[in-house]
Amino acid sequence: NAGVTQTPKFQVLKTGQSMTLQCAQDMNHNSMYWYRQDPGMGLRLIYYSASEGTTDKGEVPNGYNVSRLNKREFSLRLESAAPSQTSVYFCAIRGGGRSYNEQFFGPGTRLTVL
Amino acid sequence: RKEVEQDPGPFNVPEGATVAFNCTYSNSASQSFFWYRQDCRKEPKLLMSVYSSGNEDGRFTAQLNRASQYISLLIRDSKLSDSATYLCVVRGYGQNFVFGPGTRLSVLP
Repeated sequence: NAGVTQTPKFQVLKTGQSMTLQCAQDMNHNSMYWYRQDPGMGLRLIYYSASEGTTDKGEVPNGYNVSRLNKREFSLRLESAAPSQTSVYFCAIRGGGRSYNEQFFGPGTRLTVL
Repeated sequence: RKEVEQDPGPFNVPEGATVAFNCTYSNSASQSFFWYRQDCRKEPKLLMSVYSSGNEDGRFTAQLNRASQYISLLIRDSKLSDSATYLCVVRGYGQNFVFGPGTRLSVLP
């Protein structure tokens, strides 16, 4: 039971390149989230998905797109990377039942855009 | 004003010390409150939820003051292993989670 997995763990891009960050969960929960974490800023919500097939913008969606093709996977795409997107990206799910208010995070992707 | 604000830190304390973290939130409609712990270069993990009546989990005590929109976390008898960044998190009914910037704690031998 891996919980929430993310790939890749590290990535270096040049300005203008594109890439997709992958997130998968084996906990069978509906809600999934993408955050970015920058020094002194805390985690900021990029996009979230309340259920399969639905996505909504968070606080900082510009420059990103997401895809929730099935319950298990939620991907984040950078179409044309910019240095301002250098950050640590975390995928998270929200638990169910007694863990309804708890978020479980993946290990993160450290992205550098040159 | 940020929606969730925390002590800027860092806090450097000796082993065995008691340390308190403060957090304020601006949205009076917030319903749920949490403290998360994040180790260096790791993902955040839930430390404890915060209830209106206050709650304790071993050496950790969390308090909530809805009137003042203030949350606190007290750590007694600090251990080296408590060194981490502590994130204050709030959530409104049906809303998303809002994270504070975190307060870093270093417990020194």
